[in-house]
Amino acid sequence: GAVVSQHPSWVICKSGTSVKIECRSLDFQATTMFWYRQFPKQSLMLMATSNEGSKATYEQGVEKDKFLINHASLTLSTLTVTSAHPEDSSFYICSARNNEQFFGPGTRLTVL
Amino acid sequence: GEDVEQSLFLSVREGDSSVINCTYTDSSSTYLYWYKQEPGAGLQLLTYIFSNMDMKQDQRLTVLLNKKDKHLSLRIADTQTGDSAIYFCAERNSGAGSYQLTFGKGTKLSVIP
Repeated sequence: GAVVSQHPSWVICKSGTSVKIECRSLDFQATTMFWYRQFPKQSLMLMATSNEGSKATYEQGVEKDKFLINHASLTLSTLTVTSAHPEDSSFYICSARNNEQFFGPGTRLTVL
Repeated sequence: GEDVEQSLFLSVREGDSSVINCTYTDSSSTYLYWYKQEPGAGLQLLTYIFSNMDMKQDQRLTVLLNKKDKHLSLRIADTQTGDSAIYFCAERNSGAGSYQLTFGKGTKLSVIP
């Protein structure tokens, strides 16, 4: 139980395009999902907390217009990186809360 | 704010025990966690301990918590090559209803065959 999936697992895009990443809780309902960003050899940085049916809460320094989060159902949250630039290249990991946080496998984004 | 510190590297021989240490600053943390991350993958919850406990054992894993010193450790007995990974310590932030986690930078465990 408590399986979280992410799609896609990796994506390469051109600078200026937008990329959508999906996070799904497969066998439980998650009222809260979290989005993290991880730089090489670094820890996870919390970007935002996503609650189903309401606006996401962004951490300080994270641009909400740049990183659009939608949590339309209890099993799906999406992160859209708008007008991506090379500095947005990173490993994006989501987690879903079912008492504890269970993490997805991550999405490697490379912006050329 | 909360801060979690870990040593960055640990190298052990296969069959030996590994001990990964972590210190944290938030004295009102309710839960402390250990996650494992293999290359290119997400985080796998290994174990966690409630703040009113001193020790928790789960098969090869032993977690020790010294709340006075705000020190957490993870011991892996009979370390195997498959245990090679990055191990993250995390604390659950205090505050009513808070489920946010603060992570350390991770300890890279290398197991020498």
